Amino acid sequence: AQTVTQSQPEMSVQEAETVTLSCTYDTSESDYYLFWYKQPPSRQMILVIRQEAYKQQNATENRFSVNFQKAAKSFSLKISDSQLGDAAMYFCAYLGNRDDKIIFGKGTRLHILP
Amino acid sequence: DVKVTQSSRYLVKRTGEKVFLECVQDMDHENMFWYRQDPGLGLRLIYFSYDVKMKEKGDIPEGYSVSREKKERFSLILESASTNQTSMYLCASSPPGQGDHNEQFFGPGTRLTVL
Repeated sequence: AQTVTQSQPEMSVQEAETVTLSCTYDTSESDYYLFWYKQPPSRQMILVIRQEAYKQQNATENRFSVNFQKAAKSFSLKISDSQLGDAAMYFCAYLGNRDDKIIFGKGTRLHILP
Repeated sequence: DVKVTQSSRYLVKRTGEKVFLECVQDMDHENMFWYRQDPGLGLRLIYFSYDVKMKEKGDIPEGYSVSREKKERFSLILESASTNQTSMYLCASSPPGQGDHNEQFFGPGTRLTVL
């Protein structure tokens, strides 16, 4: 069965600095999708960034980028120029090519220090 | 703008009560999901549905049931609420299959407390 592991339950970063959230996953499939979701305090969960496994190029969305290492089954999220609004719980997630169920990691709570 | 709504943000019920959590999406999505979120455990899938009147058990279905009579509405039912069902409940929806729109869209969540 597929699993998603986020080894950092909590992290802190100084405002304007760069932070990297780690995620590893386990799968025997070759085609799949990976996601990072953000859940701000008392607010709705939203998609931050998505990566298709067949694409070698790392996805980027403004200040958010990923480091996708398919062979190592690693999918880390880098947040550049951290802002106070980035404070949230971040979930790494996996979706197999033949699935409709997303598998979530346990989350990393990110604190932004002013 | 896509939208998933849940009937209550906060709910307090007593042990043994029957509890209904409602979720409605306006995106014409086939797939709908119910999760519970607990500190340190992340999101755990309770039930999901691929279509009207269809349902599949997730990872933790015990103590829960669901109903999907209309495409836009997916209800989670606690037949006899217990204190260990105190949690945050999240509903989500997604289109079927793969492609650019395979992400799940989440509702705001219902924080249920069972006394």
